[in-house]
Amino acid sequence: DTEVTQTPKHLVMGMTNKKSLKCEQHMGHRAMYWYKQKAKKPPELMFVYSYEKLSINESVPSRFSPECPNSSLLNLHLHALQPEDSALYLCASSQRTGVNAEAFFGQGTRLTVV
Amino acid sequence: AQSVTQLGSHVSVSEGALVLLRCNYSSSVPPYLFWYVQYPNQGLQLLLKYTSAATLVKGINGFEAEFKKSETSFHLTKPSAHMSDAAEYFCAVSIIQGAQKLVFGQGTRLTINP
Repeated sequence: DTEVTQTPKHLVMGMTNKKSLKCEQHMGHRAMYWYKQKAKKPPELMFVYSYEKLSINESVPSRFSPECPNSSLLNLHLHALQPEDSALYLCASSQRTGVNAEAFFGQGTRLTVV
Repeated sequence: AQSVTQLGSHVSVSEGALVLLRCNYSSSVPPYLFWYVQYPNQGLQLLLKYTSAATLVKGINGFEAEFKKSETSFHLTKPSAHMSDAAEYFCAVSIIQGAQKLVFGQGTRLTINP
């Protein structure tokens, strides 16, 4: 199994809603990532978890709250988002966080904030 | 700071023609470089990576890339384009800031003409 599974694939939420994005991998990877990708732009790193501990937070607004309950799961909790937060949210995992580690990406969740 | 620059936001080639997608890096240390492909409404898939073991790197789907230190380049090529190669291609450099972080170029959209 070389897949990173993200759910849901699409999400529409209001600015007062609370929702969560879920990411799961069963490759035994110990590093997991959240990236944000705006239309026609490259992915930008948001968070990195290494061995279930938050290693990198790229100064992401607190309305985005990551959680890593175990080594296979990564969540992104969303609250009070703005329309400009609409984007494709990509989860990735790698065996480790070394500089030459290969990151495997999920299909993404396309989020629309109305 | 390490970064990559992709020359040409859009490349169009005929089916069967050579594909050349350009990537130049900026780094004061030996870089770890990756090429990813993103098909419409999909996540990213790793094509190949450079980790200093060999300057010519072969990847999936017939793609390869050559690392040239003198030109600070890591261009992606494929001898004969297929319609299925139409996608967005991202060059990325891997850096360590507490954990691995991929920094992507702006991307090149490849169009294949019949």
